[in-house]
Amino acid sequence: DGGITQSPKYLFRKEGQNVTLSCEQNLNHDAMYWYRQDPGQGLRLIYYSQIVNDFQKGDIAEGYSVSREKKESFPLTVTSAQKNPTAFYLCASSRRGTMFDQPQHFGDGTRLSIL
Amino acid sequence: GENVEQHPSTLSVQEGDSAVIKCTYSDSASNYFPWYKQELGKGPQLIIDIRSNVGEKKDQRIAVTLNKTAKHFSLHITETQPEDSAVYFCAATAGGSQGNLIFGKGTKLSVKP
Repeated sequence: DGGITQSPKYLFRKEGQNVTLSCEQNLNHDAMYWYRQDPGQGLRLIYYSQIVNDFQKGDIAEGYSVSREKKESFPLTVTSAQKNPTAFYLCASSRRGTMFDQPQHFGDGTRLSIL
Repeated sequence: GENVEQHPSTLSVQEGDSAVIKCTYSDSASNYFPWYKQELGKGPQLIIDIRSNVGEKKDQRIAVTLNKTAKHFSLHITETQPEDSAVYFCAATAGGSQGNLIFGKGTKLSVKP
């Protein structure tokens, strides 16, 4: 079955440490996204990529970095510059459209906590 | 920028009743309005969406209505079942050059048997 796989499901970060969250999709989608979800809040866009080797900052990109070397993969690094990294991180993908107007399909998330 | 308000934040209904969740948006250029269902510990799942050139869309027990003039859209679930219990999110595309999806804060729906 086609879908989006996020790993790991749970991740713990020590102070001053960078951690990388994995996101892989086999839906043949061009566009991929990273969102952050905090308790009682909607999803907020961190980064997105409409095509390989290109990505754009979302609304809350500070303290995060991404790469898009392959169509199937869009890893997110949470750097030590992100002072409040504890959250549920969601990856999504979609067909490439205009102005985010294509249905987005989500993975089951990675929960990141601070040790 | 775009702002999406979602009400109510919690909703409890008896099995078999209908449930309605409402969202308002601020950007008149918004053109795509998806609804997502999120179960505990899972990612959101798209359940229905509507585009700005359509006023209503149905899929079995689920329907969405859009009022562009008033800038609000609603999710209607009929004949609710316990498995409908989840958090529901609405979203709208922001206008302008970036145009990313802006999400509401969610509605926790509980369906009591």
